[in-house]
Amino acid sequence: NAGVTQTPKFQVLKTGQSMTLQCAQDMNHEYMSWYRQDPGMGLRLIHYSVGAGITDQGEVPNGYNVSRSTTEDFPLRLLSAAPSQTSVYFCASSYQGTEKLFFGSGTQLSVL
Amino acid sequence: GENVEQHPSTLSVQEGDSAVIKCTYSDSASNYFPWYKQELGKRPQLIIDIRSNVGEKKDQRIAVTLNKTAKHFSLHITETQPEDSAVYFCAALSGSARQLTFGSGTQLTVLP
Repeated sequence: NAGVTQTPKFQVLKTGQSMTLQCAQDMNHEYMSWYRQDPGMGLRLIHYSVGAGITDQGEVPNGYNVSRSTTEDFPLRLLSAAPSQTSVYFCASSYQGTEKLFFGSGTQLSVL
Repeated sequence: GENVEQHPSTLSVQEGDSAVIKCTYSDSASNYFPWYKQELGKRPQLIIDIRSNVGEKKDQRIAVTLNKTAKHFSLHITETQPEDSAVYFCAALSGSARQLTFGSGTQLTVLP
């Protein structure tokens, strides 16, 4: 099993550009989520999904969209990038609920 | 919503000494408390977790204690080794939203 795979690892955007961060898992996990990690602020939940076709907002959802058309994939879309979205983004999944999360390797995003 | 505070933000110990990291939470209905370890440039990984019906859990050199009355829980690492150097995050699963709220992290440095 590859686990949780995130692409790209690094990305630089200009303000106003849009892009999609990809996340895929091959563990047949129902729960998937996106976090952003900023210095001194821990991990903050952006969006999550408890199964295909179901998504919900987390603590910091503004400026981001998600969809869950399959169990395996959970892409995160930045609609119009802003410097405040410069961060490290982690995708995570678990078999059920939010216990025992498996994290992807992260995407370091810089918005200029 | 849930609020998790973590202390200290940085901790340095001599190799072989013990390290203790403390977290407090605000939602008395929270019932699951994991700890994640993040080595430099890597993804967070679950190292130990505890449920609210248990007061203490051990796994080799690491242990977690929970005081539900005071709403705090702690990570204890004994006989520290250089490979224990990392950022450690606590988290609490809130009773209502059923999502994890993370602490701000503790940078542990084990000095040889």
